[in-house]
Amino acid sequence: GNSVTQMEGPVTLSEEAFLTINCTYTATGYPSLFWYVQYPGEGLQLLLKATKADDKGSNKGFEATYRKETTSFHLEKGSVQVSDSAVYFCALTVYNQGGKLIFGQGTELSVKP
Amino acid sequence: DTAVSQTPKYLVTQMGNDKSIKCEQNLGHDTMYWYKQDSKKFLKIMFSYNNKELIINETVPNRFSPKSPDKAHLNLHINSLELGDSAVYFCASSQDVVAGGSNEQFFGPGTRLTVL
Repeated sequence: GNSVTQMEGPVTLSEEAFLTINCTYTATGYPSLFWYVQYPGEGLQLLLKATKADDKGSNKGFEATYRKETTSFHLEKGSVQVSDSAVYFCALTVYNQGGKLIFGQGTELSVKP
Repeated sequence: DTAVSQTPKYLVTQMGNDKSIKCEQNLGHDTMYWYKQDSKKFLKIMFSYNNKELIINETVPNRFSPKSPDKAHLNLHINSLELGDSAVYFCASSQDVVAGGSNEQFFGPGTRLTVL
């Protein structure tokens, strides 16, 4: 079946530190990959996406590269800010499955000043 | 303008009651979804509708019944509420996904349901 595995949280970093949140997936077919972010008390927002191998998604200083050979889509940011504190979800969709998102378990990030 | 809205934001009710959550999107999208987020933040799809037609129905108890009066609305009715139904329910919408699966989904703010 299709699934997404993320690194366990919470992750606590100091401001300006480098961030990596690991994400690996299992999929039948050729998935599209996403990172969503959930700020406290809010719904999810799309952070970035990639739809084919070697694509790099980027937004707000975050980036992730679709690696088919390692079935991974790790999220990185060079210098985190306190305002990046949130829960980050890796997710996939597979063609012809009605667009449903399959999520990883989420990784909580806390950035301290 | 709110893109995807849900009402109510909070819902506290007793076991055994019946309740509804409403969702509306003003994005002109054809596909709408309901997701459940449990206490550990894990998100799982429940239902999906495309142009008012049910296209995804995951293994959800039949006490949960979605209804789509038009393509801008997808409501969720829950009968005989149980303690385990306590969760945050998110509505989402996207462009037509029948032909593919890479369209961005826009999420509502969520409805926190607490069953006592």
